Amino acid sequence: GAGVSQSPSNKVTEKGKDVELRCDPISGHTALYWYRQSLGQGLEFLIYFQGNSAPDKSGLPSDRFSAERTGGSVSTLTIQRTQQEDSAVYLCASSRGGASTDTQYFGPGTRLTVL
Amino acid sequence: GNSVTQMEGPVTLSEEAFLTINCTYTATGYPSLFWYVQYPGEGLQLLLKATKADDKGSNKGFEATYRKETTSFHLEKGSVQVSDSAVYFCALSPPTSGTYKYIFGTGTRLKVLA
Repeated sequence: GAGVSQSPSNKVTEKGKDVELRCDPISGHTALYWYRQSLGQGLEFLIYFQGNSAPDKSGLPSDRFSAERTGGSVSTLTIQRTQQEDSAVYLCASSRGGASTDTQYFGPGTRLTVL
Repeated sequence: GNSVTQMEGPVTLSEEAFLTINCTYTATGYPSLFWYVQYPGEGLQLLLKATKADDKGSNKGFEATYRKETTSFHLEKGSVQVSDSAVYFCALSPPTSGTYKYIFGTGTRLKVLA
């Protein structure tokens, strides 16, 4: 079946511009995660959505970052006033439910380059 | 807090050599443990997992055993192939209720030479 999809696959933007990254999770998965993969920081958690519960935003690095999940499915990660240090690969993952034993399935990522 | 420590890479092996990539963790309680692989130009793929102590995860000739006494989850393969060249990530998911976000190791790059 279809996996996690993300768009765009690549995004180049100028410093100070806003960007939106999209994630389409596996159908029926209630949990959705955003991570960031960068050379200096490795893989780091950003935000978690589970069903209709309030999201866990504890990993967002600054208030320029926000995310929403509409209708319990598609999610959008927005970065306002982008900075060069925001350059990274942004990964989305989904899992069947909210349990530590659940496998997270990752999308191919969006490579963001801020000039 | 929760953390994962992975051996530094890169690891370079000849084809058919034995592979070990060390992974140790710090966590309260019994986390679930995972190995993910990232092939060049591709996304993260689950390689194997173990959800309780003494469980052995296995897939594609790779194995890892959840050792609570040594807080380890070392990845092994008896005979590597060129196609195994990739970056391998160890990860844990903490057992406490709430956010089951993964804590990742830094990744180990494996290069297998023909």
